[in-house]
Amino acid sequence: DTAVSQTPKYLVTQMGNDKSIKCEQNLGHDTMYWYKQDSKKFLKIMFSYNNKELIINETVPNRFSPKSPDKAHLNLHINSLELGDSAVYFCASKEGGAHEKLFFGSGTQLSVL
Amino acid sequence: SQQGEEDPQALSIQEGENATMNCSYKTSINNLQWYRQNSGRGLVHLILIRSNEREKHSGRLRVTLDTSKKSSSLLITASRAADTASYFCATPGTGGFKTIFGAGTRLFVKA
Repeated sequence: DTAVSQTPKYLVTQMGNDKSIKCEQNLGHDTMYWYKQDSKKFLKIMFSYNNKELIINETVPNRFSPKSPDKAHLNLHINSLELGDSAVYFCASKEGGAHEKLFFGSGTQLSVL
Repeated sequence: SQQGEEDPQALSIQEGENATMNCSYKTSINNLQWYRQNSGRGLVHLILIRSNEREKHSGRLRVTLDTSKKSSSLLITASRAADTASYFCATPGTGGFKTIFGAGTRLFVKA
């Protein structure tokens, strides 16, 4: 069983469209994240939820809205997609407390045309 | 803001050789992690070293941490073609929940 799964793996869409990426973890972890990896492989944190509560919200355009219906799920909705949103988006999770190890999904490659 | 910076950005070696990657960071930390990313895949945790540790081993991996120089190194011994991947160091951000990644070292091991 995949520990952190995200769908879809590939997403190709036109500028201006709205799209969602879904993430689920079956590890029982308290904390989930969205990271964005650009074409130079630089990985930047976007959001984090701990037990459904938003705890990290980096400087991200408000076209990006995360939603956590329960602690096993963290979805990312993007409105009015722009060319610069093209990247690979990774979901990750970790246990609460002092545990530092992150478990990553396999990524969603978003291409905005 | 980016905390860790890896060096070199890219490394190409022959199978059987050792590969050394370095990471420098800016602020005090209580631990440092290394991750591997194969092409088209998510990051996989390799090893965590705490600030009171100087060296740690896991199989063919050896990690060192020098808190006085704010640097860490990852050594992969007897490299294999399957070690071809990007390697990232990661440090804690403020608040305890954030993990900040460096830009990574691309390692290519030729068979």
